[in-house]
Amino acid sequence: QSVLTQPPSVSGAPGQEITISCTGSSSNIGAGSDVHWYQQLPGAAPKLLISGSSNRPSGVPDRFSGSKSGTSASLAITGLQAEDEADYYCQSYDSSLSASVVFGGGTKLTVL
Amino acid sequence: EVQVVESGGGLVQPGGSLRLSCAASGFSFSDHYMEWVRQAPGKGLEWVGRTRNRANSYNIEYAASVKGRFTISRDNSKNSLYLQMNSLIPEDTAVYYCVRLVGWKFGFDPWGQGTLVTVSS
Repeated sequence: QSVLTQPPSVSGAPGQEITISCTGSSSNIGAGSDVHWYQQLPGAAPKLLISGSSNRPSGVPDRFSGSKSGTSASLAITGLQAEDEADYYCQSYDSSLSASVVFGGGTKLTVL
Repeated sequence: EVQVVESGGGLVQPGGSLRLSCAASGFSFSDHYMEWVRQAPGKGLEWVGRTRNRANSYNIEYAASVKGRFTISRDNSKNSLYLQMNSLIPEDTAVYYCVRLVGWKFGFDPWGQGTLVTVSS
């Protein structure tokens, strides 16, 4: 059971838009902690995709965007491409746990 | 190029020990928090622990699941991070990643390729 809740899977056709939610609580996202998103392609290590809830590191296409509101955050991907098929993880910080870094359980994106 | 490279994984029996290493390059190692994150086969990401930076006295923190069994250390003269794992149990089977905390607002980057630890008899 992850501290941050993500849907196990989402899917979309090429060119469509999808969103992935990340729901936390008042001790993490709701406390103002930043949310980061990572993309893990099949067989590869995770890669930073969105930092500080909505910032794209250099090299990340602007098809990827992030937002945060209240105790939740979202990752949106527009103009879906086959190469976007991957696992996506949200991450934040929790003030109530010894494990101050918390991850979502991950969402598998399938491009139909 | 900013880079981290893990090594030291392998097969170990339950109750055994293993030491992982992480070689960092391309950035000021002592100025950054360095952390370990693991991923069990087919599962999600789990934070293992961290060593803070020079400004924060290199303090160390652990996840509850490994506290008392794992020890994190760093050698700033060698730009290296270590994870000593003792009293290993099958649930510790995972790919272990060494990551740099760029900053609280900037997340973990880069990630190494990871090193696989298998705990099995």
